[in-house]
Amino acid sequence: AQKITQTQPGMFVQEKEAVTLDCTYDTSDQSYGLFWYKQPSSGEMIFLIYQGSYDEQNATEGRYSLNFQKARKSANLVISASQLGDSAMYFCAIKGGNQFYFGTGTSLTVIP
Amino acid sequence: DSGVTQTPKHLITATGQRVTLRCSPRSGDLSVYWYQQSLDQGLQFLIQYYNGEERAKGNILERFSAQQFPDLHSELNLSSLELGDSALYFCASSVAGIWNEQFFGPGTRLTVL
Repeated sequence: AQKITQTQPGMFVQEKEAVTLDCTYDTSDQSYGLFWYKQPSSGEMIFLIYQGSYDEQNATEGRYSLNFQKARKSANLVISASQLGDSAMYFCAIKGGNQFYFGTGTSLTVIP
Repeated sequence: DSGVTQTPKHLITATGQRVTLRCSPRSGDLSVYWYQQSLDQGLQFLIQYYNGEERAKGNILERFSAQQFPDLHSELNLSSLELGDSALYFCASSVAGIWNEQFFGPGTRLTVL
């Protein structure tokens, strides 16, 4: 079974600063995938970034990067140059086999 | 707009009733995923279909069932509804069942009274 832990219920960041959202996971699978999603207050879910367990390089997508530390079982999301539109809930998730689990989310507020 | 449509947007019903949620994937997408987001359980993956066949199953209750039709739209059927089934139900789609290429619909807000 897999498990995702997001220990930061809420985070604040100044506009244009970088912020790191923490995610740790637990799995017994050798092959798995890690995902980050964004959910603005409007409610829609937006896929942000993906990291495969065998990927040697950290994933990057524009201002988003995933700091993947396999030995520590962590997959932190780094958002660079925060914008007001980044204010949202952020969910980390893990897929192993045919199972998929979300964390409880982190609420990010970007302060002007 | 992701291209994934879900109907209805809102649904209010009573305990014990049965409802059907509908999802139309993006044009060309063969895979459909269903998720539930509730205050109690958070976000949960329910089930995945690929080209009409069930591909993966998550925490889907026995009272819930889903199917994907030949035109690739999908329906999630919820029966014997309980208060705890009140949630936002998302559908997502991807081209070839690749999970990191999912696009989400706007969701259906179900309220069970």
